Amino acid sequence: NAGVTQTPKFRILKIGQSMTLQCAQDMNHNYMYWYRQDPGMGLKLIYYSVGAGITDKGEVPNGYNVSRSTTEDFPLRLELAAPSQTSVYFCASSPSGTGGEQYFGPGTRLTVT
Amino acid sequence: GENVEQHPSTLSVQEGDSAVIKCTYSDSASNYFPWYKQELGKGPQLIIDIRSNVGEKKDQRIAVTLNKTAKHFSLHITETQPEDSAVYFCAASIRGDDKIIFGKGTRLHILP
Repeated sequence: NAGVTQTPKFRILKIGQSMTLQCAQDMNHNYMYWYRQDPGMGLKLIYYSVGAGITDKGEVPNGYNVSRSTTEDFPLRLELAAPSQTSVYFCASSPSGTGGEQYFGPGTRLTVT
Repeated sequence: GENVEQHPSTLSVQEGDSAVIKCTYSDSASNYFPWYKQELGKGPQLIIDIRSNVGEKKDQRIAVTLNKTAKHFSLHITETQPEDSAVYFCAASIRGDDKIIFGKGTRLHILP
């Protein structure tokens, strides 16, 4: 099993550009999550999904969109990138929601200039 | 909603000594409390967790304690080793919720 994979590892965007961060898992987990990690600020939940076709907002969803057409994939879309979106983005998956271990990918470091 | 506070933000201990990281949570409906370790350049990884029906759980050099009345829980690492240097996150999950709320993290330095 590859676990949770994320691409790209690094990306530099200009203000106003758009991009999609890819996330895939091969563990057949129903639950998937997107977090952003700012220095000294812990992990903030952006969006999450409890299964294919179902998504919901987390704490900081503004400026982002997600889709979940398959169990395996959970891409995160940034429209009109802003410097405030400079961060490290982590995708995670879990076999269960409440009280379940989350398995994290290696992260994508995004810089918006 | 749930709020998780974590202290200290940075902790330095001599190799071989013990380290303690403390967290408090706000929602008494929280019933699951995991701890994650994040090594440099990697995603967080679960190291231990505890549920609200248990007061203490131990796994080799790592232990977690939970005080439901005071709404706080702690991570204890004994006989610290260089490989324990990392950022540690506590988290809490409310019963019936599909997400967990993370603390801001503690950067642990093990000094030689």
